Amino acid sequence: NAGVTQTPKFQVLKTGQSMTLQCAQDMNHEYMSWYRQDPGMGLRLIHYSVGAGITDQGEVPNGYNVSRSTTEDFPLRLLSAAPSQTSVYFCASTYSPGQNYGYTFGSGTRLTVV
Amino acid sequence: QQQVKQSPQSLIVQKGGISIINCAYENTAFDYFPWYQQFPGKGPALLIAIRPDVSEKKEGRFTISFNKSAKQFSLHIMDSQPGDSATYFCAASMGSASKIIFGSGTRLSIRP
Repeated sequence: NAGVTQTPKFQVLKTGQSMTLQCAQDMNHEYMSWYRQDPGMGLRLIHYSVGAGITDQGEVPNGYNVSRSTTEDFPLRLLSAAPSQTSVYFCASTYSPGQNYGYTFGSGTRLTVV
Repeated sequence: QQQVKQSPQSLIVQKGGISIINCAYENTAFDYFPWYQQFPGKGPALLIAIRPDVSEKKEGRFTISFNKSAKQFSLHIMDSQPGDSATYFCAASMGSASKIIFGSGTRLSIRP
């Protein structure tokens, strides 16, 4: 049981480049989310999904796109990377965030945009 | 109204002491308050959680105290150990909402 798998672990991009951060979970969780973590700012929600085919915006969605074609996968796309998107990105999943299961987080992707 | 405010930003405690981290919220619709623990290079992991119908929840050395009227909750770590050194996040969510709002985090260091 792998849990939540994120790839790559590290990435350096040039300004203007695009890329996709991959996230996969094998726990049959319906809910999946993407967060970015910046020093002193905690975890900020980028996008989330309540099930295959359904996505919605979080607190900081600008510059990012998501899709959810399967229950297992929830990729995050950076359309045109900017230095402000330098951050650590975490994917998380859960059966139901309002219940007592909590989120299972991946190990993160450290992204640097130069 | 969606914010969860966490303090302190950093905390140093002697081994064997009590570590206390505080959080406050505004939205009275929040009904689930988890705490997450994060070690360097890892993702956060659920530590303990509470609902507002109880004032305290204890799991081993970790206790959540909840004050519904003050809209505050706190994490107490008793007999703090060097292995407890990590970043701690409080959080809040409401009902079946698919979003959890996180506090800004507290970096805890336990001195041997």
